[in-house]
Amino acid sequence: EAGVTQFPSHSVIEKGQTVTLRCDPISGHDNLYWYRRVMGKEIKFLLHFVKESKQDESGMPNNRFLAERTGGTYSTLKVQPAELEDSGVYFCASSHNSPTGELFFGEGSRLTVL
Amino acid sequence: GDSVTQMEGPVTLSEEAFLTINCTYTATGYPSLFWYVQYPGEGLQLLLKATKADDKGSNKGFEATYRKETTSFHLEKGSVQVSDSAVYFCALLNTGGFKTIFGAGTRLFVKA
Repeated sequence: EAGVTQFPSHSVIEKGQTVTLRCDPISGHDNLYWYRRVMGKEIKFLLHFVKESKQDESGMPNNRFLAERTGGTYSTLKVQPAELEDSGVYFCASSHNSPTGELFFGEGSRLTVL
Repeated sequence: GDSVTQMEGPVTLSEEAFLTINCTYTATGYPSLFWYVQYPGEGLQLLLKATKADDKGSNKGFEATYRKETTSFHLEKGSVQVSDSAVYFCALLNTGGFKTIFGAGTRLFVKA
């Protein structure tokens, strides 16, 4: 079974530009999560999808961040316009329909905003 | 709100040394507790978990016991190997919730 895949693995952009990160969860996983780790600090929750619906987006920093999950399959996280403090590693994770608590993570997308 | 605090790294050990990485948590209710590990160039993966007080999670020689009285879930291994070099994250998931809360991670270096 293929794991969670994220693209790109690393993106370097200028402040004010737009970046779109993509996540393909494990096939059949209805739950999809976005997390972010900034400067070696804790991994912070951004939001949670169940299929195509946003279940919890309480961690989204502000309205410059937009997440979508088309048809309940892959998800995108767009940052527009990017600011310096958005730099970090963005992780995507998915989990089973009847969650045991275990999250399956992608390798992360490192975003550097200059 | 719920939170996880773990010891700052990096932790540097020689091969075959004993490892302890401390983790304490704050949560309402009765959370499940986890240790995830991130090896270089890879995503996080579940190392072990415990779902109730006094449970011991174990995997690959690592162990952690859910201590409700001290709100702790310390990770231990009796004899580390170079291949254990990684970042270790303590995490909790509260009952009925879907939001896993992570600590800041502890980087472990094991020297041959």
